[in-house]
Amino acid sequence: KQEVTQIPAALSVPEGENLVLNCSFTDSAIYNLQWFRQDPGKGLTSLLLIQSSQREQTSGRLNASLDKSSGRSTLYIAASQPGDSATYLCAVRERRDDKIIFGKGTRLHILP
Amino acid sequence: DVKVTQSSRYLVKRTGEKVFLECVQDMDHENMFWYRQDPGLGLRLIYFSYDVKMKEKGDIPEGYSVSREKKERFSLILESASTNQTSMYLCASSTYGGDNQPQHFGDGTRLSIL
Repeated sequence: KQEVTQIPAALSVPEGENLVLNCSFTDSAIYNLQWFRQDPGKGLTSLLLIQSSQREQTSGRLNASLDKSSGRSTLYIAASQPGDSATYLCAVRERRDDKIIFGKGTRLHILP
Repeated sequence: DVKVTQSSRYLVKRTGEKVFLECVQDMDHENMFWYRQDPGLGLRLIYFSYDVKMKEKGDIPEGYSVSREKKERFSLILESASTNQTSMYLCASSTYGGDNQPQHFGDGTRLSIL
């Protein structure tokens, strides 16, 4: 059974720093991996999607990488800002049954 | 842009009531999903549907049912609401599996059962 793990569960960093969020998964038979952002009390906003054949995707200050063979993904945030404070979730879309399996998220707090 | 709309942002109901949560998507997506999200447990899949009138159980279907009479609408039904169903409910949609097909979410319904 696919398991998705995100470490750390929570992270606080000063504004302006670069940071990395980690995601690991146990079954590499995936279509893609998606990173989401969730603000308190809100739904999920898709940030980046990496196809299984890709190694990375970039959007603005965000860069996501995927190493399918080792079951790992990272989300790199450059020059962090207080507005980046949110919970970040990763999710894999399984080939076996087309389900999306989520990690429990990393709560990020950027200190002004 | 894909829009997934959940009918209520906040809902308060009483124990034993029958509760309907509605979700509508406007991109002709085949797949629709209902999750609940609880602190420390993350998102858990309740039910999903690959097409009209089709439904599949997710990881925690007990106490819930679903209805998909039209492609754009997926309803979650709490047959007899209980306090342990107080949660944030999220609906999502996607097109058929493929490497570049993302999942799109609604804004969520925060349901309180008193």
